[in-house]
Amino acid sequence: DAKTTQPTSMDCAEGRAANLPCNHSTISGNEYVYWYRQIHSQGPQYIIHGLKNNETNEMASLIITEDRKSSTLILPHATLRDTAVYYCIVRAYDRGSTLGRLYFGRGTQLTVWP
Amino acid sequence: NAGVTQTPKFQVLKTGQSMTLQCAQDMNHEYMSWYRQDPGMGLRLIHYSVGAGITDQGEVPNGYNVSRSTTEDFPLRLLSAAPSQTSVYFCASSIGGASSYEQYFGPGTRLTVT
Repeated sequence: DAKTTQPTSMDCAEGRAANLPCNHSTISGNEYVYWYRQIHSQGPQYIIHGLKNNETNEMASLIITEDRKSSTLILPHATLRDTAVYYCIVRAYDRGSTLGRLYFGRGTQLTVWP
Repeated sequence: NAGVTQTPKFQVLKTGQSMTLQCAQDMNHEYMSWYRQDPGMGLRLIHYSVGAGITDQGEVPNGYNVSRSTTEDFPLRLLSAAPSQTSVYFCASSIGGASSYEQYFGPGTRLTVT
């Protein structure tokens, strides 16, 4: 699996957009980019995923560069409840036995302040 | 649906004791996984299962056993607890096939081994 690099921590003012970067320069053509977050002491929560097109859902947007070597998770209007550790994970999709293996790094601690 | 449930929420063991952490899901998911999370660290995969009767090792399997006799349950057994196994344990599940990108996590079991 490709390795990802994320900043250790970031801050964002409430109501502003939070842009969380992720580098994955060794990503392969069949590997997806997944984002999860973990609010203090809780289990991680899925946010969004993508392969090469930009994606948007009710929680966030995912922008993947054309060369796919980096991506940005965007929370358009951050709230205090978005304070969490955000994990960027790169993983190949396959229908076989390895699908359950999501490897989490240390992630980015996002702090949203009032 | 209750989602993914884990019991107990908290547990204190003495070195050398054995115990089983319980995990159950009521979403008929094929895939289930166990992770551990140490302070300030990301999640590390212990064992996972792609269906009843099928299990495999993750990154840190030593000292743990799993079995999957039903779709719903995926218990994690600590054979002889050691202080190094003090951690928060998360169970996760996901459906199979094309929509299996999203893992659902339980609330965690906080284990202390003295």
